[in-house]
Amino acid sequence: SSELTQDPAVSVALGQTVRITCQGDSLRNYYVSWYQQKPGQAPLLVIYNENSRPSGIPDRFSGSTSGNTASLTITGAQAEDEADYYCCSRDSSGNHQFGGGTKLTVL
Amino acid sequence: QVQLQESGPGLVKPSQTLSLTCTVSGVSVSSGDYYWTWVRQPPGKGLEYIGYISYSGATYYNPSLKIRVSISVDSSKNQFSLKVNSVTVADTAVYFCAREVGYTFAKFDSWGQGTLVTVSS
Repeated sequence: SSELTQDPAVSVALGQTVRITCQGDSLRNYYVSWYQQKPGQAPLLVIYNENSRPSGIPDRFSGSTSGNTASLTITGAQAEDEADYYCCSRDSSGNHQFGGGTKLTVL
Repeated sequence: QVQLQESGPGLVKPSQTLSLTCTVSGVSVSSGDYYWTWVRQPPGKGLEYIGYISYSGATYYNPSLKIRVSISVDSSKNQFSLKVNSVTVADTAVYFCAREVGYTFAKFDSWGQGTLVTVSS
């Protein structure tokens, strides 16, 4: 299957660490990227090439992949990290898939 | 600094053609290893990849939309465009244009602000 599966919602206490996961067969062979989207805004690239951060993205954001599961970890979550997070990867046919998204709540 | 801006009608009637344009500034659509992409998001739902046109003019479309979608480029205006034929209410969405860097990494590093297109009679 080329689908990417994410938990619909995750919560984290302010300052704590949270992991958002993404599962899919394509992750065994292709790189994953992660996007943050706040209401009314375009998605923002936060992680690419599994664990690379674009300039301007805080180093509390990190990524990893093991087998068919990719993870986005926020170490020391801040109030401004409350958003929807989407994983993305291409598949063997050349198509790109986005996960269904995870709504992160910072308590 | 790369900037992208979508434009086009916000309302389209069922069975008609949805047409949007993305104007790019800060970089040529004909340069680099870039793939000029369209992504859409139905209200309250997730992101859906539509397809791209590359710096060399090659195109790729999501198989689920392939028979109704086309993407073209106008290098003289530094724009690329999307057409979706025979639209239904299911095509109502915010449409984003974006730049993908390279092809292997699913790295969409620049996005337009998005434009809402409503399909309704």
